[in-house]
Amino acid sequence: KAGVTQTPRYLIKTRGQQVTLSCSPISGHRSVSWYQQTPGQGLQFLFEYFSETQRNKGNFPGRFSGRQFSNSRSEMNVSTLELGDSALYLCASRAEENQPQHFGDGTRLSIL
Amino acid sequence: AQSVTQLGSHVSVSEGALVLLRCNYSSSVPPYLFWYVQYPNQGLQLLLKYTSAATLVKGINGFEAEFKKSETSFHLTKPSAHMSDAAEYFCAVSGPGANSKLTFGKGITLSVRP
Repeated sequence: KAGVTQTPRYLIKTRGQQVTLSCSPISGHRSVSWYQQTPGQGLQFLFEYFSETQRNKGNFPGRFSGRQFSNSRSEMNVSTLELGDSALYLCASRAEENQPQHFGDGTRLSIL
Repeated sequence: AQSVTQLGSHVSVSEGALVLLRCNYSSSVPPYLFWYVQYPNQGLQLLLKYTSAATLVKGINGFEAEFKKSETSFHLTKPSAHMSDAAEYFCAVSGPGANSKLTFGKGITLSVRP
């Protein structure tokens, strides 16, 4: 069974631009969550989608948004990029509630 | 609300020595607990999980963890460290229910000396 796939693996953007990251969950998994990982703040929860609906949201500004499609694939968008948005963005999927999340290898976003 | 405390940011052991990585949690509901490992330039890999069944949980790569409610702890152990165990380890907690989110500790970097 294929794992969680995130594209692209690396991105370089400049301040003020916007970016879209993509995540394909494990087949059959309907829940997709996004996390931001930085050396200073560690792993922080962004949001979770289930059956195309946002089910949970972390404490991030509105510049961070996401969506999920009918095939469970998810995208995350960050607008008006800031230097502090440089991070590894991880996507995770799970089959059902209380099942462990399975992570992709992440997208490393660098803001210049 | 839930939280996880992983004391110390770095642990160093000799190859063949016992590995002990500490994790304490706080949760207002019965917790589900997880340990994940992250190798450089990779995502997180699940080592083991506790979801209210047996308190001693065995995971992959020879790791195990014991849930101790009285101590609110879920420490990760491995009897004999291997060089390939060098990585960053994260403890995480969530509650029951579909809307419960996963909260991570700060992580511990494990180094293994030859």
